[in-house]
Amino acid sequence: ETGVTQSPTHLIKTRGQQVTLRCSSQSGHNTVSWYQQALGQGPQFIFQYYREEENGRGNFPPRFSGLQFPNYSSELNVNALELDDSALYLCASSPGVDFETQYFGPGTRLLVL
Amino acid sequence: EDQVTQSPEALRLQEGESSSLNCSYTVSGLRGLFWYRQDPGKGPEFLFTLYSAGEEKEKERLKATLTKKESFLHITAPKPEDSATYLCAVQALTGGGNKLTFGTGTQLKVEL
Repeated sequence: ETGVTQSPTHLIKTRGQQVTLRCSSQSGHNTVSWYQQALGQGPQFIFQYYREEENGRGNFPPRFSGLQFPNYSSELNVNALELDDSALYLCASSPGVDFETQYFGPGTRLLVL
Repeated sequence: EDQVTQSPEALRLQEGESSSLNCSYTVSGLRGLFWYRQDPGKGPEFLFTLYSAGEEKEKERLKATLTKKESFLHITAPKPEDSATYLCAVQALTGGGNKLTFGTGTQLKVEL
């Protein structure tokens, strides 16, 4: 167990809808990173938040947005869902901004119909 | 743009049959190269970080090495519990914030 939890575990949405995915980090971990993993592919970095500020972003459009809260929880919001957004969404928390010490949650599997 | 290519895509070994997984990368400047293990239905689990060419790290039956263009994950005398997908990722020395680029992974199956 990594101490990182995500909710919900599975989710089905319709194209055009909006979705919010949640992550609860380990206590004391000030950084959360979000990834999208399509079936059979490696994770793709969406963005990283450090102390509630965005600290890096991958090649994802603005309809992917995030929030990080002082209580070690965070959210990934995706607007105007597209079929290609169907994937496993992973969050990872770490004490600092380096990737070596990040611990991944089990992920939320999103299906867009 | 940073690129990571892993080979082979899949590998089947007999228990005790040693082999190597390859990770080729292209980055403007390497800050770190990471190896992760991912089991089905779970998030990746950190294995190693390598920072400079010539560096090596070991953990049980696994050994990771790094050159200026690629990294190898050597598996010595593997056991069935080593079966998993092994992912390689790079972090570049660029401005504009942190970013991690993953390869597509090598799916390893170790049979008795």
